[in-house]
Amino acid sequence: KQEVTQIPAALSVPEGENLVLNCSFTDSAIYNLQWFRQDPGKGLTSLLLIQSSQREQTSGRLNASLDKSSGRSTLYIAASQPGDSATYLCAVYSGTYKYIFGTGTRLKVLA
Amino acid sequence: DTAVSQTPKYLVTQMGNDKSIKCEQNLGHDTMYWYKQDSKKFLKIMFSYNNKELIINETVPNRFSPKSPDKAHLNLHINSLELGDSAVYFCASSRGTNGANVLTFGAGSRLTVL
Repeated sequence: KQEVTQIPAALSVPEGENLVLNCSFTDSAIYNLQWFRQDPGKGLTSLLLIQSSQREQTSGRLNASLDKSSGRSTLYIAASQPGDSATYLCAVYSGTYKYIFGTGTRLKVLA
Repeated sequence: DTAVSQTPKYLVTQMGNDKSIKCEQNLGHDTMYWYKQDSKKFLKIMFSYNNKELIINETVPNRFSPKSPDKAHLNLHINSLELGDSAVYFCASSRGTNGANVLTFGAGSRLTVL
């Protein structure tokens, strides 16, 4: 049974810092891994999707990497800004019509 | 032009009542989902439908009955509401089942059972 864990659960950093969020999963037989952002009281916004054959994806200041064999993904945020404050969730898709979500990391970027 | 829209956004109701949440997507996706987000913000799959057919029912009580009249709609009806049903319910959709299928979410429906 696939389990997805995110570390840390919460993170508070000063503006401008580079930071790394971690996601680990127990079953490496995945089709893709997706990173989402959720603002308080809002839905989830897809940030990056990495297919199982890919090692990383980049969008602006965000870079996500995937190491399937070790069951890990990282989301790197460069030069963090207060507007990056949100909960970040990763989800893995194993081709079974369901995404399994991680526990989330609550990020606060201080001005 | 909202891609995945849910109504209502907020629901406040008494225990024992029946309520429905509607979801529509205009992305041309063939798979739709209901997720439940609890008070600790953990997202758990409830149902998934592909081309109007139920694929996943993740041990959800039969008080919850999803219905998909067509590929673009997936509604959720809940009978005999209980306190523990209070949560945010998210509808989502994706295209196909290969590795490139981005999951797109609605804004959520916050259900409060008193």
